[in-house]
Amino acid sequence: GENVEQHPSTLSVQEGDSAVIKCTYSDSASNYFPWYKQELGKRPQLIIDIRSNVGEKKDQRIAVTLNKTAKHFSLHITETQPEDSAVYFCAASSEYSGAGSYQLTFGKGTKLSVIP
Amino acid sequence: DGGITQSPKYLFRKEGQNVTLSCEQNLNHDAMYWYRQDPGQGLRLIYYSQIVNDFQKGDIAEGYSVSREKKESFPLTVTSAQKNPTAFYLCASSMSGRGYTGELFFGEGSRLTVL
Repeated sequence: GENVEQHPSTLSVQEGDSAVIKCTYSDSASNYFPWYKQELGKRPQLIIDIRSNVGEKKDQRIAVTLNKTAKHFSLHITETQPEDSAVYFCAASSEYSGAGSYQLTFGKGTKLSVIP
Repeated sequence: DGGITQSPKYLFRKEGQNVTLSCEQNLNHDAMYWYRQDPGQGLRLIYYSQIVNDFQKGDIAEGYSVSREKKESFPLTVTSAQKNPTAFYLCASSMSGRGYTGELFFGEGSRLTVL
């Protein structure tokens, strides 16, 4: 089965600096890579995702890059703000049976603290 | 207001007792999932169901059971066979089929503590 490793487990940055979280996956068949943000006491929510036919995707201050050859993908947050403080989870999945069904394997999470 | 509702939010159980966590969704999603969240362990899949009356074991199904009698509901029973049941449990749902984007929608979670 799929195995997803996520680093670092904790990350502290000064407000305005950039933050980078990295994940590696083991299954070369994986083709869908979402990132979820979980604020303290709240539910995880999707913030950005990327598919294997794309190398990079950006949404305002958040970007994700994918290196299929090396089997790793990264989340980049620029101009960090205190409200970016949360736990971030990466995940990997393959779409099986061509039926639009996915089974995600999550990384262990990164606790990001943005210091004002 | 569409979404996923989990109940109870907090639950205390004595050792040896079974407990059932409720998960209801009104998003008309076909697929539903149960995850367990422990500190530093990420989200681990317990069970999932792609369609009514069908479900599959995830990575850590031992000591848990589920049912999917209705599209809207996917209750999880934590049995006395689960050796370390104290955890935060998250239910999720998703669309499936052509055009599905892959996004999971999570409930607020249920925190189970075994005394």
